[in-house]
Amino acid sequence: EAGVAQSPRYKIIEKRQSVAFWCNPISGHATLYWYQQILGQGPKLLIQFQNNGVVDDSQLPKDRFSAERLKGVDSTLKIQPAKLEDSAVYLCASSLWDPQSTDTQYFGPGTRLTVL
Amino acid sequence: QKEVEQNSGPLSVPEGAIASLNCTYSDRGSQSFFWYRQYSGKSPELIMSIYSNGDKEDGRFTAQLNKASQYVSLLIRDSQPSDSATYLCAVTSGGGADGLTFGKGTHLIIQP
Repeated sequence: EAGVAQSPRYKIIEKRQSVAFWCNPISGHATLYWYQQILGQGPKLLIQFQNNGVVDDSQLPKDRFSAERLKGVDSTLKIQPAKLEDSAVYLCASSLWDPQSTDTQYFGPGTRLTVL
Repeated sequence: QKEVEQNSGPLSVPEGAIASLNCTYSDRGSQSFFWYRQYSGKSPELIMSIYSNGDKEDGRFTAQLNKASQYVSLLIRDSQPSDSATYLCAVTSGGGADGLTFGKGTHLIIQP
């Protein structure tokens, strides 16, 4: 079974530029998450999708970050304009949807963003 | 604001000994608790989940949960150099499909 795919793996941009990340979850996984992991910290949830609907985006800086999951499969996360403090690894994860169960979130390899 | 606290370490343990990792959480409504392992430059990997008070064992790993004290721990028996990694504690208010709140992680070093 293929895992969560992300691209690009690395990205370097200047501040105030825009950038987009792509995620393809494990086949059949209805729930998709984007996390931000700053060096030395644990991942922080940015947004959670259930199929193509948003479940939780309370920690997404909506003035500069946006995300979509148009057909309930792939997702893109965009930052516009980027700030220095956005330098981090952006992790995509997916899981089956069963609120009563012991679902596991599977993480992709991440995209390492450096903002200069 | 939900918070998960971990000692960042590094925690140094001799090979073959027991490594003990601890985590406290602020939200009394938390229902599900997870330990992830993260090697440098890699993504987190789930190693243990626990949902009720007490101990849960899986091979060399034992997770312990005490909801009254809002405390979760992970014991690694017969520690191996390959166990050297950062261990992240994560909690959620619902089931495993809910978004996770992570601690900063504990850096564990197993000394040969």
